[in-house]
Amino acid sequence: DIQMTQSPSSLSASVGDRVTITCRASQTIGRYLNWYQQKPGKAPELLIYVASGLQSGVPSRFSGSGSGTDFTLTISSLQPEDFATYYCQQSFSVPRTFGQGTKLEIK
Amino acid sequence: QVQLQESGPGLVTPSQTLSLTCTVSGDSITSDTSYWSWIRQPPGKGLEWIGFIYYSGSTYYNPSLKSRVSISVDTSKNQFSLRLNSVTAADTAMYHCAREVQGVDNVDWFDPWGQGTLVIVSS
Repeated sequence: DIQMTQSPSSLSASVGDRVTITCRASQTIGRYLNWYQQKPGKAPELLIYVASGLQSGVPSRFSGSGSGTDFTLTISSLQPEDFATYYCQQSFSVPRTFGQGTKLEIK
Repeated sequence: QVQLQESGPGLVTPSQTLSLTCTVSGDSITSDTSYWSWIRQPPGKGLEWIGFIYYSGSTYYNPSLKSRVSISVDTSKNQFSLRLNSVTAADTAMYHCAREVQGVDNVDWFDPWGQGTLVIVSS
């Protein structure tokens, strides 16, 4: 199985901050990497597909980059509604696997 | 707008079988660009992919659960179902169904997800 490791596991930040979350795969996965946002009590929602594609309806302050084993999710200017947990997920092979999550909290 | 809705018992007795159904609306389960997945999330923990099914009946399961899991599809009802045998407390989780879309550049992603249903394994 491909292991996905996110860092940090939690992060405190303020409205307006620029935030970066990192995801590392245990083997090369090309650009087969997606990012999801999950708010408490809700299902995860797709943010970024194919490492850098912005899902329809997702604000442009979200961006993704990377390829191979190292990927990043960046939020350029945090808004109150962005405080949530973020997961990366690889679709290079089965079984599909997720990172352990990064909980973004208000400072 | 595609929507998925899980249904099934919220409480299962240890050693028994967990059974859930996902009803799909807004898309045909016979779409040749979609796989239909189950994903679970223990309370306060991360996401674990259980497996998926294609409308033809082809399946793939997570090896960690393969001996206990079965996913089936009912194209006449636009539904797919999960069965997990011999459950223990470790199977207590929110269970989500999701559509895996065959997207661009051969990369697939999960969209949308069902809201999830909490299954507690307890006597």
